[in-house]
Amino acid sequence: NAGVTQTPKFRVLKTGQSMTLLCAQDMNHEYMYWYRQDPGMGLRLIHYSVGEGTTAKGEVPDGYNVSRLKKQNFLLGLESAAPSQTSVYFCASTPEGLGYEQYFGPGTRLTVT
Amino acid sequence: AQTVTQSQPEMSVQEAETVTLSCTYDTSESNYYLFWYKQPPSRQMILVIRQEAYKQQNATENRFSVNFQKAAKSFSLKISDSQLGDTAMYFCAFILTISNFGNEKLTFGTGTRLTIIP
Repeated sequence: NAGVTQTPKFRVLKTGQSMTLLCAQDMNHEYMYWYRQDPGMGLRLIHYSVGEGTTAKGEVPDGYNVSRLKKQNFLLGLESAAPSQTSVYFCASTPEGLGYEQYFGPGTRLTVT
Repeated sequence: AQTVTQSQPEMSVQEAETVTLSCTYDTSESNYYLFWYKQPPSRQMILVIRQEAYKQQNATENRFSVNFQKAAKSFSLKISDSQLGDTAMYFCAFILTISNFGNEKLTFGTGTRLTIIP
């Protein structure tokens, strides 16, 4: 059972380039989340989804887009990367309902130069 | 909006000692869950313990226990008999239990970096 996986694990982008981060979960979870982690700021929610075909903005959505075309996948896109988007990105999933543990992926370290 | 505050950016303790990490939160709601997550150097986020706000009894998981003070909006984590493997960042987190599109998300504190000294 793989749990939550993230692709890629590391990436270096130049300013203005685009990329997509892929999150996949094999636990049939309804809810999925994208966070970014920066030193001294904890985890901040970028976007989330409460089911296939749904997305919603989190705390820091600007500069990112997401899609949830399949229940098991949640994609995070950067259309025009900026140095301020240098961060570690985490995906998480949880069963439908509230109060359940969020299962996290291993993270993607993204550097924008 | 809900907020979570961890006022101790860093702590250190000798191996086998007990350490308490502080967390306070702010909400006007009465039904919610609180969590402590651990992030070791491997970067993987791991759930340590969970507390339902409607339960008066403090949650415990082996060497980990919480002191949940609902009126004071305080949720501290106590680690007993600390071990080298407890060295990690610890995050306190909060989620409402009322399902209303927009509530289904965790709010995290900024974390406490805990170092266990051999």
